[in-house]
Amino acid sequence: DAKTTQPTSMDCAEGRAANLPCNHSTISGNEYVYWYRQIHSQGPQYIIHGLKNNETNEMASLIITEDRKSSTLILPHATLRDTAVYYCTAVGTYKYIFGTGTRLKVLA
Amino acid sequence: GAVVSQHPSWVICKSGTSVKIECRSLDFQATTMFWYRQFPKQSLMLMATSNEGSKATYEQGVEKDKFLINHASLTLSTLTVTSAHPEDSSFYICSAPRGPNQPQHFGDGTRLSIL
Repeated sequence: DAKTTQPTSMDCAEGRAANLPCNHSTISGNEYVYWYRQIHSQGPQYIIHGLKNNETNEMASLIITEDRKSSTLILPHATLRDTAVYYCTAVGTYKYIFGTGTRLKVLA
Repeated sequence: GAVVSQHPSWVICKSGTSVKIECRSLDFQATTMFWYRQFPKQSLMLMATSNEGSKATYEQGVEKDKFLINHASLTLSTLTVTSAHPEDSSFYICSAPRGPNQPQHFGDGTRLSIL
């Protein structure tokens, strides 16, 4: 499974878009990119995943570069409840290896 | 609602006792489940893969005799921390995928405190 790297922390103003980058330069062709977030003392919550096409759901958008070596999670209108640690992981079968994640703080 | 249920959510016990944590998939069958451990302000660390009807697969550095995993049915995996000591205090989380290339669903975790 590919290793992922993310910035340690980011701040975002409430109502603005939050763009969270993830580097997965060693990703292989059959590995999906998954994004989860974890609010303090809870289990991770699924956000979105993709293989090579950009994806959008009710929570977020996922932009994957053409070479698939990096991706960006976009929360279009961040709210205070989006304050959490965001993890991206590249998954070939089932096994998830989590990196350090990005601690996103949404500011009022 | 939750699709993976973890129990108990919080446990405190004395050093030397064994603690069992249950992970249930509520509306799907899970032939594979995963167990993670998380220390404060750190990421989730995969401990082992629980396989229904066969032995669990442990990650490097995880003592299989210390952390016993049983996956006796398609909806239940258990993690038993044997002879627990204060250094075993941590947040334990399980997860299960609905199927190949499907998102994993995580339990809400069990906070274990050993005195």
